[in-house]
Amino acid sequence: AQSVTQPDIHITVSEGASLELRCNYSYGATPYLFWYVQSPGQGLQLLLKYFSGDTLVQGIKGFEAEFKRSQSSFNLRKPSVHWSDAAEYFCAVGGSGGSNYKLTFGKGTLLTVNP
Amino acid sequence: GAVVSQHPSRVICKSGTSVKIECRSLDFQATTMFWYRQFPKKSLMLMATSNEGSKATYEQGVEKDKFLINHASLTLSTLTVTSAHPEDSSFYICSAPQVQGNYGYTFGSGTRLTVV
Repeated sequence: AQSVTQPDIHITVSEGASLELRCNYSYGATPYLFWYVQSPGQGLQLLLKYFSGDTLVQGIKGFEAEFKRSQSSFNLRKPSVHWSDAAEYFCAVGGSGGSNYKLTFGKGTLLTVNP
Repeated sequence: GAVVSQHPSRVICKSGTSVKIECRSLDFQATTMFWYRQFPKKSLMLMATSNEGSKATYEQGVEKDKFLINHASLTLSTLTVTSAHPEDSSFYICSAPQVQGNYGYTFGSGTRLTVV
């Protein structure tokens, strides 16, 4: 069964500092990986996704993530955090078709940004 | 891009009543719709998968008779919470996968259900 682990429940950084949110996955084949962001009371916004090819993926709002198969990881990074980045971040894994393409989410990491 | 319109965004209902949540795909055909439930400060838990023209598939532990899912057309899937109770209060989100073109998942904006 597929699963996602986000080890950090809550992270606090100062505005302008760099950020890395960790994500580890378990999946039997080549995974389709996603990072979503959710503001309070809102739906999900896709930051970036990885299917194949270049293992360093660029997303919106200056975010990037790197797929490391050997470590089963897909960590999200941003070089300089803005106060507006404060939100909940979810890593998710899905498959390529049939019943495999339902998404499984991690428990999320809450990001707080200090001024 | 693909859009899934979810309504209502917020609903308050009395215990014992039923509430219907709709998700419409606006510019694409959604043969499949995933329904998630999110508790406060928790992750999204998949409740069920609806497929157009067939019965929904429910995840283990989800009550089929309480959470009725209908996928009557390629653009509309509905979730009805029947005989709602306060413990059904939650944030419900639908998602439609796109398996062609720009592969991914399009999420509705969510429905905050409060049962009083």
